[in-house]
Amino acid sequence: DVKVTQSSRYLVKRTGEKVFLECVQDMDHENMFWYRQDPGLGLRLIYFSYDVKMKEKGDIPEGYSVSREKKERFSLILESASTNQTSMYLCASRSTALSGNTIYFGEGSWLTVV
Amino acid sequence: AQSVAQPEDQVNVAEGNPLTVKCTYSVSGNPYLFWYVQYPNRGLQFLLKYITGDNLVKGSYGFEAEFNKSQTSFHLKKPSALVSDSALYFCAVTFTGGGNKLTFGTGTQLKVEL
Repeated sequence: DVKVTQSSRYLVKRTGEKVFLECVQDMDHENMFWYRQDPGLGLRLIYFSYDVKMKEKGDIPEGYSVSREKKERFSLILESASTNQTSMYLCASRSTALSGNTIYFGEGSWLTVV
Repeated sequence: AQSVAQPEDQVNVAEGNPLTVKCTYSVSGNPYLFWYVQYPNRGLQFLLKYITGDNLVKGSYGFEAEFNKSQTSFHLKKPSALVSDSALYFCAVTFTGGGNKLTFGTGTQLKVEL
């Protein structure tokens, strides 16, 4: 089975803090993703990466950055957290960018910014 | 642009009765369609997908979905609902050559009651 692991399930951070969300996958997948989930809005793509050190902006990249130094690890960074970034963050991966390939999700990270 | 609509925020059904969760889509080109389920405080789990071929797709936990090209729909169905099926269900769409552009619906909360 594909395993996508998000190391932090629940975080509470203060406004202005720098926040790191870490994600690791164990299936040698090329593609990794960060989504944000909010009630009534579904899932929105923040960033994705198709290779080590390669990244592309998704639909809502403002206020976020990412890092992919190793193939199995994809980090989401909030440079200066704000209360409107309180949300559920989901990491995902899939083998290649072929449209029919399934995307597999981690368990999610609940971030509260106070 | 591609889009997905899940017209019902919530669906209620009695245990043992058939269930349907609706999804309609809009894409340019041939669609690839996915259903995911999310249990409380968990990530998304893959249920099934339509890529090509038979319009009736069978997936995990007894779920199936029917692709209808003329109605641009991909409704999720199960012949006999269980209380444990109660969860949030997401439909997603991409298209041939769509790469990493997977668009999710806003989700439908399914509640199965005794």
